[in-house]
Amino acid sequence: GESVGLHLPTLSVQEGDNSIINCAYSNSASDYFIWYKQESGKGPQFIIDIRSNMDKRQGQRVTVLLNKTVKHLSLQIAATQPGDSAVYFCAEKGKAGSQGNLIFGKGTKLSVKP
Amino acid sequence: DTGVSQNPRHKITKRGQNVTFRCDPISEHNRLYWYRQTLGQGPEFLTYFQNEAQLEKSRLLSDRFSAERPKGSFSTLEIQRTEQGDSAMYLCASSLGGNNEQFFGPGTRLTVL
Repeated sequence: GESVGLHLPTLSVQEGDNSIINCAYSNSASDYFIWYKQESGKGPQFIIDIRSNMDKRQGQRVTVLLNKTVKHLSLQIAATQPGDSAVYFCAEKGKAGSQGNLIFGKGTKLSVKP
Repeated sequence: DTGVSQNPRHKITKRGQNVTFRCDPISEHNRLYWYRQTLGQGPEFLTYFQNEAQLEKSRLLSDRFSAERPKGSFSTLEIQRTEQGDSAMYLCASSLGGNNEQFFGPGTRLTVL
């Protein structure tokens, strides 16, 4: 069945280093992917998205890479800061025939050491 | 603050009671979504509306759950005869159309004793 998941449940990095968070998806028909950041006690916050006709998209300090061949998505955070500490989820647009929902992975907890 | 608000933020209830949550989306957004999130997991889709029409429901949405969006603006999610397994964070999100990012509210944390 289709699923969106993450390779690592936790990631610890030193402040100032770059962070890479990975995600694998299984539905090759998915055409829209999103990364969300969720801090404790808050709802998910949109970080960046990418459509399947692209393989890279950059935002402020963040880059998302999409490899459709191996169905892999990654989020790169440059110069990681303590405020980046949170749980990061990748999500994909619902399966064909579903017009609404996002399917989320389990999340990776990013901890930034000062 | 994304502009999506949810009330109450926390709800503690006894098993068997009914609860109702409210979501106010970003005003110009025509789509409104409900998700449920349990500890350590990602959000799971429950249902969504386009304007006042409920267009899709997950199989997670048992017959004890009902959602409405009567005027195409705010939405309510009601859980009848709550069970301990209903304890979770209930998240609401809204978007402008189906191909744009979903903005999430802060959630309502439900605890069923």
